[in-house]
Amino acid sequence: KAGVTQTPRYLIKTRGQQVTLSCSPISGHRSVSWYQQTPGQGLQFLFEYFSETQRNKGNFPGRFSGRQFSNSRSEMNVSTLELGDSALYLCASSRTITGNTEAFFGQGTRLTVV
Amino acid sequence: GNSVTQMEGPVTLSEEAFLTINCTYTATGYPSLFWYVQYPGEGLQLLLKATKADDKGSNKGFEATYRKETTSFHLEKGSVQVSDSAVYFCALTQVSGGYNKLIFGAGTRLAVHP
Repeated sequence: KAGVTQTPRYLIKTRGQQVTLSCSPISGHRSVSWYQQTPGQGLQFLFEYFSETQRNKGNFPGRFSGRQFSNSRSEMNVSTLELGDSALYLCASSRTITGNTEAFFGQGTRLTVV
Repeated sequence: GNSVTQMEGPVTLSEEAFLTINCTYTATGYPSLFWYVQYPGEGLQLLLKATKADDKGSNKGFEATYRKETTSFHLEKGSVQVSDSAVYFCALTQVSGGYNKLIFGAGTRLAVHP
């Protein structure tokens, strides 16, 4: 069974640009969540999608957005990149949206903003 | 709000030593509790979980017991190996609300030496 696939693995962008990250969940999983991991702030929740609807959003500016497609694949977009957006972005998929369901994580996309 | 506090690292041990990583939480209601592990350059892997008070999660020799009276979920292993070197994250989700938002502790780096 294939795991969670995130592409690309590494990205280097310039300040002011925008970026799109992709996440393919495990087959049959309908919930996709995104997290930002930085040395200073640790792991922070960005948003969760279920059945193409955003169910929950973390405390991030509107420059961070996402969407989910009918096949459960998800993308997140960051516009007007800032140096502080440099981070490892992790995607997690779950079968359902109940709080005790195991979340499976991808290897992440490491974004560097220069 | 909900939060997770872990002991600060790094924790440095010799092979076959006993490991304890402390984790306490603050939450309303009855959260599910998790330990995730992150190896260098990788995403997060679920190590173990517990969904109600007095549950014991266990996997690969690691154990943690959900203690509601002390709001704790300490991770233990009787004999660590060099391959256990990684960063360990304690996390919780809320059962109510119908979403999978994980709230993580800051992580504890474990280094095991031969």
